[in-house]
Amino acid sequence: DTAVSQTPKYLVTQMGNDKSIKCEQNLGHDTMYWYKQDSKKFLKIMFSYNNKELIINETVPNRFSPKSPDKAHLNLHINSLELGDSAVYFCASSQEYLPSGQETQYFGPGTRLLVL
Amino acid sequence: LAKTTQPISMDSYEGQEVNITCSHNNIATNDYITWYQQFPSQGPRFIIQGYKTKVTNEVASLFIPADRKSSTLSLPRVSLSDTAVYYCLVGDMDGGYNKLIFGAGTRLAVHP
Repeated sequence: DTAVSQTPKYLVTQMGNDKSIKCEQNLGHDTMYWYKQDSKKFLKIMFSYNNKELIINETVPNRFSPKSPDKAHLNLHINSLELGDSAVYFCASSQEYLPSGQETQYFGPGTRLLVL
Repeated sequence: LAKTTQPISMDSYEGQEVNITCSHNNIATNDYITWYQQFPSQGPRFIIQGYKTKVTNEVASLFIPADRKSSTLSLPRVSLSDTAVYYCLVGDMDGGYNKLIFGAGTRLAVHP
């Protein structure tokens, strides 16, 4: 069984479209994350939810909206897609949130988004 | 703001020991140091974590000096399958919540 799964794996779309990426974890974790990895392989955190509560909200355009219907799911909706949104988006989860950064994060396989 | 600096790339050969050093001069007192490994087309994977001194697991060792301003990931006897990007992470407190900051990583290429 895949611990952290994402759908779709690949997403090719036109500028201006709205798309969603889904993430599910079956590890029973309380905390989930969204990261963006650009072409230079820099991995940047976008959002984090702890027990369905948004705790980290990085400076990302408000076209990006995360939604956590329950602890096992964290979806990412993107409105009015732009060329610069092309990247790999990773979902991750951890048992809990720890202020020391001690938690181990488990990453999904990534969603490769290409905006044309 | 805790930041990390590590070599952009390293080359090694099968069977050698590889040491990747990371600098984190502004690490906070409570921060842990964590290393992740990322293979192409996959998400990062946890390797090892430590706070001070030395930590060893079945995959790697992590050496942290007393001042904690740097750390060294040691991979014993690497194989071709160890070719990957290795990230050194420390936390970054922002708005009361600590978030892990991934740097550029070190691209390790293991040659036969």
